[in-house]
Amino acid sequence: DAGITQSPRHKVTETGTPVTLRCHQTENHRYMYWYRQDPGHGLRLIHYSYGVKDTDKGEVSDGYSVSRSKTEDFLLTLESATSSQTSVYFCAISPGGTVQETQYFGPGTRLLVL
Amino acid sequence: AQSVTQLDSHVSVSEGTPVLLRCNYSSSYSPSLFWYVQHPNKGLQLLLKYTSAATLVKGINGFEAEFKKSETSFHLTKPSAHMSDAAEYFCVVSSTYGQNFVFGPGTRLSVLP
Repeated sequence: DAGITQSPRHKVTETGTPVTLRCHQTENHRYMYWYRQDPGHGLRLIHYSYGVKDTDKGEVSDGYSVSRSKTEDFLLTLESATSSQTSVYFCAISPGGTVQETQYFGPGTRLLVL
Repeated sequence: AQSVTQLDSHVSVSEGTPVLLRCNYSSSYSPSLFWYVQHPNKGLQLLLKYTSAATLVKGINGFEAEFKKSETSFHLTKPSAHMSDAAEYFCVVSSTYGQNFVFGPGTRLSVLP
């Protein structure tokens, strides 16, 4: 298994509160990604990073921000959580981000916003 | 723009019978295609990938897929289903530099004893 951990693994929070999810890798891969998984949608890209302090938006970035201050850590923040952000969040990594490269996924974080 | 259609949201087979999970894609450029499997409450694991080499791709656990450009398809097959194959399967297309992995909605495979 690729060395990817996510924390927390489960979280319950209330609407309007800030939430930060952490992804940590031990592979020294350049690219890191945050996805959300919802029934009937597969996984959808929220944000990705192509290096320290280099990030860009994905398909469903509204309401989310990210930061990457170290190669190994990629943080996803919900500034003010809403019920529509209840989902399972997956982090992924890839070495160089080319189209042929496999993305390796973490175990996921299950978030419930009440 | 890229898109992926997985034609069946749920497939049910008996143990020992063949598995066919269908995937069609749309892409403006030469695609790379992937199949991932997700067991309940787990992360995603790569089954196989196509990257413009051989059109018949063999993956782990006896799965294989055939890239057919004329049909824009990348169907996943296995000759004989095992109970442990019960999971969610995702077809993925990628055809621009780096970040654009586009997932299909998934097919849930049930294997009956």
